[in-house]
Amino acid sequence: DAKTTQPNSMESNEEEPVHLPCNHSTISGTDYIHWYRQLPSQGPEYVIHGLTSNVNNRMASLAIAEDRKSSTLILHRATLRDAAVYYCILRDLYNQGGKLIFGQGTELSVKP
Amino acid sequence: SAVISQKPSRDICQRGTSLTIQCQVDSQVTMMFWYRQQPGQSLTLIATANQGSEATYESGFVIDKFPISRPNLTFSTLTVSNMSPEDSSIYLCSASDFDEKLFFGSGTQLSVL
Repeated sequence: DAKTTQPNSMESNEEEPVHLPCNHSTISGTDYIHWYRQLPSQGPEYVIHGLTSNVNNRMASLAIAEDRKSSTLILHRATLRDAAVYYCILRDLYNQGGKLIFGQGTELSVKP
Repeated sequence: SAVISQKPSRDICQRGTSLTIQCQVDSQVTMMFWYRQQPGQSLTLIATANQGSEATYESGFVIDKFPISRPNLTFSTLTVSNMSPEDSSIYLCSASDFDEKLFFGSGTQLSVL
């Protein structure tokens, strides 16, 4: 399984942008880059995913490096409700049965 | 989006007994998975629940300990057999269609005494 590397923790101030980095130097051509987050006492929830191009949705933006060996999740204006553990995961639908293997993630704290 | 219901939400069990956790999805899904999350840790994949065939287990997990059923495209069960205190954990069901996002249930918090 291709692995990802994320910082253990990050801090942000409320209403400021947050850039969460992820390295995945062994990514394969069939790996999609997925981001999930887990709020305290809840199951993980989907945030965003992409393959090669940058992606935007109502929750966040995903910036993918040209060589696909790294990506950045961007929260445009952090709120207190964004405090969570963020997981960057590579998902291979064709060779790994679509399963998600979670790493340790980045614990994001947001200060008022 | 799919809504996943898990039952029970929590249970306290005696050592040596078994517990079956149910996972119901409100729509047909291609893939279903079972995870375990120990306190303060990340999620660990137990197995992929395959419809109409035996589940595919990850390294370190075996069918005798964690038998899984998936009789149709909306339902699966995970049994934790012959429990010990080391099995105390949160167990999560997840599901997705091919090429779509994964949805998670809210989990079953299991305590084994």
